[in-house]
Amino acid sequence: DGGITQSPKYLFRKEGQNVTLSCEQNLNHDAMYWYRQDPGQGLRLIYYSQIVNDFQKGDIAEGYSVSREKKESFPLTVTSAQKNPTAFYLCASSRRPTGSDRKVYNQPQHFGDGTRLSIL
Amino acid sequence: ELKVEQNPLFLSMQEGKNYTIYCNYSTTSDRLYWYRQDPGKSLESLFVLLSNGAVKQEGRLMASLDTKARLSTLHITAAVHDLSATYFCAVGGNYGGSQGNLIFGKGTKLSVKP
Repeated sequence: DGGITQSPKYLFRKEGQNVTLSCEQNLNHDAMYWYRQDPGQGLRLIYYSQIVNDFQKGDIAEGYSVSREKKESFPLTVTSAQKNPTAFYLCASSRRPTGSDRKVYNQPQHFGDGTRLSIL
Repeated sequence: ELKVEQNPLFLSMQEGKNYTIYCNYSTTSDRLYWYRQDPGKSLESLFVLLSNGAVKQEGRLMASLDTKARLSTLHITAAVHDLSATYFCAVGGNYGGSQGNLIFGKGTKLSVKP
């Protein structure tokens, strides 16, 4: 079955440590996204990528970094510069949103099951 | 800048009752999505609304879109406990313009009680 796999499900970070959250998809989607969700809040965009080897900052990119070396994978690193990392992190993917096919453009994003990050 | 507001943010309903969740957005858009999230879980796509006057129904949920008023509604008919979840609306930029990113509302936490 096609889908998005995020790992680990739970992650603990020590002060000063960088941690990496994994996101893999086998939906053959070009675009991938990372969101942060805080309790009682909506989703805020951290980074997104529309094609391999290209990514853009979202609304809250400070303290985070990403890479997109393969179409299937979009890992997120939470660096020590992110002073308040405790949150639920969701990865999503979609078909390429700026394609010439409007039906593709309108497709909803598909989400993984999330990673819950806490500070030790 | 596109902003999305949902109300109410919390909704406690009795089983069998009807209610409506509202989603207002600040600039023109031709794409609006409704998602459902169960506690600690991922987001599940419910509806995709793409044109003025669009109406979609699935079971006890019906979503509509008024692009002139920049308003979408999610109507719940004869609520049952299984509908308890948080519901998000998300709005995208216009075709040919934005990069396809979505702006999410804060969500409406629905609790259906017997």
